[in-house]
Amino acid sequence: ETGVTQSPTHLIKTRGQQVTLRCSSQSGHNTVSWYQQALGQGPQFIFQYYREEENGRGNFPPRFSGLQFPNYSSELNVNALELDDSALYLCASSLSPAGDTQYFGPGTRLTVL
Amino acid sequence: KQEVTQIPAALSVPEGENLVLNCSFTDSAIYNLQWFRQDPGKGLTSLLLIQSSQREQTSGRLNASLDKSSGRSTLYIAASQPGDSATYLCAVTRPGANSKLTFGKGITLSVRP
Repeated sequence: ETGVTQSPTHLIKTRGQQVTLRCSSQSGHNTVSWYQQALGQGPQFIFQYYREEENGRGNFPPRFSGLQFPNYSSELNVNALELDDSALYLCASSLSPAGDTQYFGPGTRLTVL
Repeated sequence: KQEVTQIPAALSVPEGENLVLNCSFTDSAIYNLQWFRQDPGKGLTSLLLIQSSQREQTSGRLNASLDKSSGRSTLYIAASQPGDSATYLCAVTRPGANSKLTFGKGITLSVRP
């Protein structure tokens, strides 16, 4: 059974650019959640996707957007990058959106210069 | 708004010591509570999940308890080892349509040989 995978591992961008991060969910999981973790902080919920629809969103601006595909993999897109977007971006998958154990990927480290 | 607190931020203990990590949350209307481990720069590994109707969960040397009415959870680690050195985060979900996790900032544990 393959766990949650994320790509790329590391990414360096400059202010104003756009970035796409990718996540493959664990086999059999139809729910993917994205989190942003700044250095020294706990992860902050960005949004969740369930069966290709957004199913809840945290306090992030609209330039953070996402997609979920029919195979339940997901993308996180961030437009007009700002320095404060530098963080570890974590994706988690679960069997359902209703409080099952969430399994996290290794994360993508984004640095914005 | 749910807030999760973990104090102290860091802890250093000698190998072999039994230890307790604390987590508190402000809103007792939770669905479940999950403890995670995070190694530096890595993703999160789920350790234990406690449903709101449960009092505790055990896995190997780990035991997590939940007192929903007082808004507290503890993670007990028996016979600590240097390999237990990591950051430990607790997170809660609320009843509802999605399983958004609200995290504390974590406790960084160092176990000295």
